[in-house]
Amino acid sequence: ILNVEQSPQSLHVQEGDSTNFTCSFPSSNFYALHWYRWETAKSPEALFVMTLNGDEKKKGRISATLNTKEGYSYLYIKGSQPEDSATYLCAPVSRSSYKLIFGSGTRLLVRP
Amino acid sequence: EPEVTQTPSHQVTQMGQEVILRCVPISNHLYFYWYRQILGQKVEFLVSFYNNEISEKSEIFDDQFSVERPDGSNFTLKIRSTKLEDSAMYFCASCRKQGQAFYGYTFGSGTRLTVV
Repeated sequence: ILNVEQSPQSLHVQEGDSTNFTCSFPSSNFYALHWYRWETAKSPEALFVMTLNGDEKKKGRISATLNTKEGYSYLYIKGSQPEDSATYLCAPVSRSSYKLIFGSGTRLLVRP
Repeated sequence: EPEVTQTPSHQVTQMGQEVILRCVPISNHLYFYWYRQILGQKVEFLVSFYNNEISEKSEIFDDQFSVERPDGSNFTLKIRSTKLEDSAMYFCASCRKQGQAFYGYTFGSGTRLTVV
């Protein structure tokens, strides 16, 4: 799996706004997709692991959808809070050695 | 919650020196990985390791790099003769497999390597 693209590259929103990001990837040889939340100087925090076409997962105010046929996933944050400020990474996985191929991330800044 | 621990958190080394980055994966995990992120760039896969051997490596992982599981708990990345462009954040990760499915993919907090 190559050419993982995330958009937008960065996003500044006001507290309370809802927002969404896109991850697109080649759909061939797909096995799973990981979403991570990453703050500087910390471990990437696993948000979701998605495997099935049409999967929808939710964790609090954050949710994600997956379309493996067209090769994209959306991450939604409802009612953004300043503590949501972080870089959000997606990483599809191929079947071989389960290595993650990361996108460049979306850097989210939520202003109080 | 189980963690992957990495030491040191920061390492400064002179160009040409050898460094060893250490990782303690989660105890029941058998699949181990190293990734790195050069400042401003994507997180890149370096190598995967299973059953005491490399299962896959990227083109970045040349003869300058090696990995080892010297005992039952540590997983190390050695970089010989470091270059300025090796400066990056290095992440270790581990997971386990059940049947054909992988579980519990967990990252450490990283080692920031600065080569001067």
